[in-house]
Amino acid sequence: AQSVTQLGSHVSVSEGALVLLRCNYSSSVPPYLFWYVQYPNQGLQLLLKYTTGATLVKGINGFEAEFKKSETSFHLTKPSAHMSDAAEYFCAVSENYGGSQGNLIFGKGTKLSVKP
Amino acid sequence: EAGVVQSPRYKIIEKKQPVAFWCNPISGHNTLYWYRQNLGQGPELLIRYENEEAVDDSQLPKDRFSAERLKGVDSTLKIQPAELGDSAVYLCASSINNEQFFGPGTRLTVL
Repeated sequence: AQSVTQLGSHVSVSEGALVLLRCNYSSSVPPYLFWYVQYPNQGLQLLLKYTTGATLVKGINGFEAEFKKSETSFHLTKPSAHMSDAAEYFCAVSENYGGSQGNLIFGKGTKLSVKP
Repeated sequence: EAGVVQSPRYKIIEKKQPVAFWCNPISGHNTLYWYRQNLGQGPELLIRYENEEAVDDSQLPKDRFSAERLKGVDSTLKIQPAELGDSAVYLCASSINNEQFFGPGTRLTVL
C-alpha cells in the first residue's frame, strides 16, 4: 500500500530564508508525486508534480522539488521565503498505471509560517 | 474558466440530522472525486466517479453516506444521519490529464 510521510507538522522560517519541506513516500510501483498548497478556507492548489523524466521539477511561485528514488523522497524547496508563502503544504503520491494516474494518497500536511 | 464549485461553503447541523453537499466540476472533466479532510490531516478519498459511474467507493461509509452523479456532470454527497465524527471539510475535485483541481470545500460542523 502507498503512504506518504511529511516530517514536521509545522515549519517556521524567516522571510528571505530557504524553505525546505520534507516528504517521503512508499510505493510498490513507480509513483506520480505531487505537492499541493492550501490557503485558509480554500481548496488545494497544485504547486508541482513529477510523472516521468527530469527528476528536478519546477513549479509555481518559485518552488521546486526533486524526486530521489534511492531515498524515496520528494522534498519541496524554495530559495527565498516570502510572507505570501505562509500556508499548509501537502505531499501526495499516486500509482502510475502505465500513464494513467491512480488515486491520490496525501500526507498529513506541513504548516509553513514565515516571520518578517 | 470557472473552477470547481461547491455549495454550501459552511454547514452546521445537529447530530442525527441529514446533510447534503453539491459539487459542479470543471466543464469537460469526466473524473470527479469527493474527499474528506479532518482537522490537521490530509484529504482522504471517499469516492471517485468516471462520468456517471462510481469506479472506487471502497472508502465510503455506505451505512450513512451516499453519493450520486446523475448525467455525469454535477454530484451530490449525502450523509444521513450525521454523527459528531463527521465534522470535517468535504472537498470535491475534478481531473483531466492526470491533474486534479479542487473546489474550496464545505466545512461541516455536527453539534
